[in-house]
Amino acid sequence: SYVLTQPPSVSVAPGQTARITCGGNDIGSKSVYWYQQKPGQAPVLVISDDRDRPSGIPERFSGSNSGNTATLIISSVEAGDEADYFCQVWEVSSDHPVFGGGTKLTVL
Amino acid sequence: EVQLVESGGGLIQPGGSLRLSCAASGFTVSTNDMNWVRQAPGKGLEWVSVVFGGSRTHYADSVKGRFTISRDNSKNTLLLQMNSLRAEDTAVYYCARARENWGTWYFDLWGRGTLVTVSS
Repeated sequence: SYVLTQPPSVSVAPGQTARITCGGNDIGSKSVYWYQQKPGQAPVLVISDDRDRPSGIPERFSGSNSGNTATLIISSVEAGDEADYFCQVWEVSSDHPVFGGGTKLTVL
Repeated sequence: EVQLVESGGGLIQPGGSLRLSCAASGFTVSTNDMNWVRQAPGKGLEWVSVVFGGSRTHYADSVKGRFTISRDNSKNTLLLQMNSLRAEDTAVYYCARARENWGTWYFDLWGRGTLVTVSS
């Protein structure tokens, strides 16, 4: 089955740019979705189809996807961005979604 | 307000059964692709099951034959009947609405989850 690999943690100072990667075989040929999950809360979609921001998501959130790596980019990081972030693709061969293991973003 | 609210979780012994519910408001469950996704303590997200708008269902291999997804259209509610529960089924179970995008699906609305603990 298809495997998505994320770093367990990423740390960044306020105001800096955070980059969270999601690795997968030829992931650049797939649509990647990113979710933010704060403690005790439901996940929230923050990036759709590699780089599209749903309504209500700040412009500070963006995404890219090429080759074997997709990246969630959060610019001008704020304390409120501290959360777990998960990437997701759809595995056509088994007809179900696959999630990455998640990355905990810490704002120093 | 568009939202999903799960209920029915709790402590259950191995081999037991439990039924989860997910009440939807602001939209109609019967015409949407509805899913259950779970998260074991300290772990990542794992997709469990889907019921498509046309009633076709699909399950993760880890729960196939033990879990059954369905809808109660009169109550605008998604259900998950869980039988023969195992310790490894311990997780927070989320209800999620899926959207289709050129043959792939993603989740645009999630509930806050309900905790299922399987332990003797």
